[in-house]
Amino acid sequence: DQQVKQNSPSLSVQEGRISILNCDYTNSMFDYFLWYKKYPAEGPTFLISISSIKDKNEDGRFTVFLNKSAKHLSLHIVPSQPGDSAVYFCAASAGGNNAGNMLTFGGGTRLMVKP
Amino acid sequence: ETGVTQTPRHLVMGMTNKKSLKCEQHLGHNAMYWYKQSAKKPLELMFVYNFKEQTENNSVPSRFSPECPNSSHLFLHLHTLQPEDSALYLCASSFSLAGGPDTQYFGPGTRLTVL
Repeated sequence: DQQVKQNSPSLSVQEGRISILNCDYTNSMFDYFLWYKKYPAEGPTFLISISSIKDKNEDGRFTVFLNKSAKHLSLHIVPSQPGDSAVYFCAASAGGNNAGNMLTFGGGTRLMVKP
Repeated sequence: ETGVTQTPRHLVMGMTNKKSLKCEQHLGHNAMYWYKQSAKKPLELMFVYNFKEQTENNSVPSRFSPECPNSSHLFLHLHTLQPEDSALYLCASSFSLAGGPDTQYFGPGTRLTVL
């Protein structure tokens, strides 16, 4: 019973175009959301996050959108570059002083950006 | 270089063996985590330590035994494992647990195969 789901296991995009990775969650207590990127043979690295008080957060080529009513968030990468090819994990946290870092992860989406 | 190192990177062991995984963080963090990533499954949180004290055990079988001698080091002792325990074991650290969500920094992982 996954509380965080990434329904697309893979995505292929042409270089220069937009990549849109999606994530759905079921736990209404989640109030903080993060995206991690993972290259082969490396651990996940933090990419971008968003608090539930916002509906958009932008950092360079990366933008995360949050739709609380739909319990859905998405990561937009534009323009996509071949170096963006990796597995992207969505994660969520229910916050709180003692549980702030209890992250629940989605299964990941493998992004392939073709030159 | 993420500042979190894990050894060994690869480990093959029999079901009757005893082995240990080691994690070290050089970031001055106070919280450390063990995660398990099985094939085609999301990352699953196993254990959390905050200032050397275990704060979370996510219903992990007793054949996995964590140890945190100080805030920089985290071990996972393994004994009488099963083939289904074969997975990527990831260590992570963060500044603290209190005060809300924080980003976690992951090590490269140990790829464990149980024969």
